[in-house]
Amino acid sequence: ETGVTQTPRHLVMGMTNKKSLKCEQHLGHNAMYWYKQSAKKPLELMFVYNFKEQTENNSVPSRFSPECPNSSHLFLHLHTLQPEDSALYLCASSPRRLGFWTGELFFGEGSRLTVL
Amino acid sequence: AQKVTQAQTEISVVEKEDVTLDCVYETRDTTYYLFWYKQPPSGELVFLIRRNSFDEQNEISGRYSWNFQKSTSSFNFTITASQVVDSAVYFCALSEAGGGSNYKLTFGKGTLLTVNP
Repeated sequence: ETGVTQTPRHLVMGMTNKKSLKCEQHLGHNAMYWYKQSAKKPLELMFVYNFKEQTENNSVPSRFSPECPNSSHLFLHLHTLQPEDSALYLCASSPRRLGFWTGELFFGEGSRLTVL
Repeated sequence: AQKVTQAQTEISVVEKEDVTLDCVYETRDTTYYLFWYKQPPSGELVFLIRRNSFDEQNEISGRYSWNFQKSTSSFNFTITASQVVDSAVYFCALSEAGGGSNYKLTFGKGTLLTVNP
């Protein structure tokens, strides 16, 4: 139990569907992240939110739309995805200690997305 | 640009063997942090260690040890007397030390370690 919960754990969707991934952290952290993990590729940072404000969009296509209503919740809205978007989507959060980011990420177990 | 290379894609050992996972990094920053994360089959990455670029002392934590060599830009991870539960994908990562800025980690591709009984 890492304190970061992702739902659903598995999702299969067609290219015309709209779905959302949810992430919730119970650790009191102020930063939340979405990462994409594809086979045989390094983890790719997608989005970063600090105190509910988006501070990083790593050239992610607009068919991925993040939402951070508060510091504990993060969503990734999915619309008209492509088969190559099939991957494990990992949510993470991180704390600040003494005013500095520690770089230590706490990850959820991921949402395995398959786009048909 | 930052880059992390984990040349070993897969390693397979027999239980109780020692195993070293290699990590080589590239950065133009003079101050940075290095990390190791473990990803078991359940999926979540688990933080193992963070090392500041100014601290080249090796660290030992139980059966785990880390060797940071700034001269060769390497941050290798050794598991002594490996166990089946050590089977996982291990990621090395690098971040700029931005103080109050975001921490953006650059990950390597990972090394799949399989420990056989």
